[in-house]
Amino acid sequence: EVQLVESGGDLVQSGGSLRLSCAASGFTFSDYPMFWVRQAPGKGLEYVSSISSVAGTTYYAKSVMGRFTISRDDSRNTLYLQMGSLRPEDMAVYYCARLSGGGYYFDAWGRGTLVTVSS
Amino acid sequence: QSALTQPASVSGSPGQAITISCTGTSSDVGSYNLVSWYQQYPGKAPKLMIYEVNQRPSAISNRFSGSKSGNTASLTISGLQAEDEADYYCCSYAGGYIFVFGGGTKLTVL
Repeated sequence: EVQLVESGGDLVQSGGSLRLSCAASGFTFSDYPMFWVRQAPGKGLEYVSSISSVAGTTYYAKSVMGRFTISRDDSRNTLYLQMGSLRPEDMAVYYCARLSGGGYYFDAWGRGTLVTVSS
Repeated sequence: QSALTQPASVSGSPGQAITISCTGTSSDVGSYNLVSWYQQYPGKAPKLMIYEVNQRPSAISNRFSGSKSGNTASLTISGLQAEDEADYYCCSYAGGYIFVFGGGTKLTVL
């Protein structure tokens, strides 16, 4: 069974840093591009960042570019999101998602981890 | 990377059909047949309902269908059931490994 389990969400002050993790199981993690998608309270889904398989090429939404860093450790089957210079508008549930093999859609999601940013 | 445009809410009675639109640009929806739709219940993770505009995962009811014309994609749910009441999000590939989501539509089954 494919499983994605996020962790690391916490209450942090504006300007602070946090690292999120996503532990993957049930599939060959290294074969898949992986994503972070967030959802602010009462709001819609927002693409945050992604990382390709193999080459580990990274991509970011403009809203987080230069502040967040996505990475992966294929030996640990884990995806990371290092978040810096946090702002109140970064407060959200952060989901880890898998891009379907060979497709351009998300076929597996974690349950999310909540990041709260206090001003 | 502007969000795709969806109606904030739609509603319908049991048994009826509803359609949710999703309008993007020539850089996302209009350029690729790579629109997907997700259903989300409160406090839960999103669930894939439609991919590549009109493809349905095997476990998804054939009451759900998708289409696209130009820069606008649509999700149609026929034979509405109470359990369809949820939020629905469209999503389009936008190049590289970048995607853009719609703002979401709350479906109410009357």
